[in-house]
Formats: sequence, structure tokens, C-alpha cells
Amino acid sequence: GDSVTQTEGPVTVSESESLIINCTYSATSIAYPNLFWYVRYPGEGLQLLLKVITAGQKGSSRGFEATYNKETTSFHLQKASVQESDSAVYYCALGEPSSGQKLVFGQGTILKVYL
Amino acid sequence: EAAVTQSPRSKVAVTGGKVTLSCHQTNNHDYMYWYRQDTGHGLRLIHYSYVADSTEKGDIPDGYKASRPSQENFSLILELASLSQTAVYFCASSDWGHSYEQYFGPGTRLTVL
Repeated sequence: GDSVTQTEGPVTVSESESLIINCTYSATSIAYPNLFWYVRYPGEGLQLLLKVITAGQKGSSRGFEATYNKETTSFHLQKASVQESDSAVYYCALGEPSSGQKLVFGQGTILKVYL
Repeated sequence: EAAVTQSPRSKVAVTGGKVTLSCHQTNNHDYMYWYRQDTGHGLRLIHYSYVADSTEKGDIPDGYKASRPSQENFSLILELASLSQTAVYFCASSDWGHSYEQYFGPGTRLTVL
């Protein structure tokens, strides 16, 4: 089946340092999956951070970016300079570009940013 | 104001008891979903619905029923709760045609004893 694997957490980073959270996927039943990063802040539901639906393209939001690499089946999340407010749980996911839009999620990566 | 709300936010249930988790959305979305998350694992899809009065099985439907009495409301029912159903449950909604983005509720933490 389809699956997503991401960096085991927690990831602890000092404010203003760079960040990368790895995400690799296996899409055995979907030829061209859509790829997403969701974020969950404490006490809130998941919210979409960024999405890319075309291989080779890059998505960006709030200083985060991720590139859809079909060759390496990866969608790593990067940020050049993190802030304490970025502390949250980050989820990589893939979806079928068809009706239903069922999502397959990675296990989530806890990010802790300290001053 | 939160567009997807869940109730209760947490619940303790006894093994063999009936549990109903409720979800309400004000997004006017067609699609609604129920996921569960276990510690160290990603969210997994239990049931979803694309129209009122109709539900579809997701990847792990066994032991769960779903009900969509209206566009706004979507319930998850555990007729006979079991220890293995202890988890955090998330409800989400999405729009037809823009269904790449799902909007999530804050989650319900269910503990079955």
C-alpha cells in the first residue's frame, strides 16, 4: 500500500537555525500523488502548511518550502531560520488526485525550537 | 472562529460500551472524514462521506460506524468500544473541487478502560 515516512522526532533546534524534516513516500497505487505538509500547533487541529501537486515543483509558505522530487520519492520540509513560534507537530502526507482525496499521513515530527 | 468542531474533546469509556464522537463543520464542505491517530503513527482514515446520508469506508473501518445526517454533521460510532480503540480522533472537511485541502478539528482524545 501507500505509505509516508518522515524524520523521527522530537527535533530540537535553536531559534534562527536552519531546519530540515525529511519525508519519503511510497505510492504504489497512485501514479502522480499530491504531496502536502500539515502542521498542528498545540491545542489546535491540523492545518495545511503547503502543497505541491506537480512533480518537480516547489511549494512554500511562512518561510517553509518543500520540493516534490519524484525520482527520489521525497518531499523534505526546509526552513532557513526557525522561530520559537514554529514549535509544533509537522505531518507529511500524500493524496490521490481524484474524488475522495483520501490522505495518507506520515507519523508526524515534533519540532521544538528554543531561544 | 473554528470551522470544524468536535465533541467531546476528551472521553473515557468502558470496554464494551457505546461511544459517539461528533463533528460539526461550518465550511459548507461536501466531504467529511474521520481519522484516528495512535502514538507514533500517522493519521489513518476510518470513514468518510461526500454527501449527506451516505458514508464510505476508509482504510480501517472495522469496529466503527459513521453517520452523516446533514452536510454539517458527521458522527463516529463505536458500538462496542475496545481497548485497541484508545486513540486521538480527528474530524476533517474539504470542498469538492478544492479537496486537496482538508480542514481539521482539534481532535478528541478517547481512552477505553
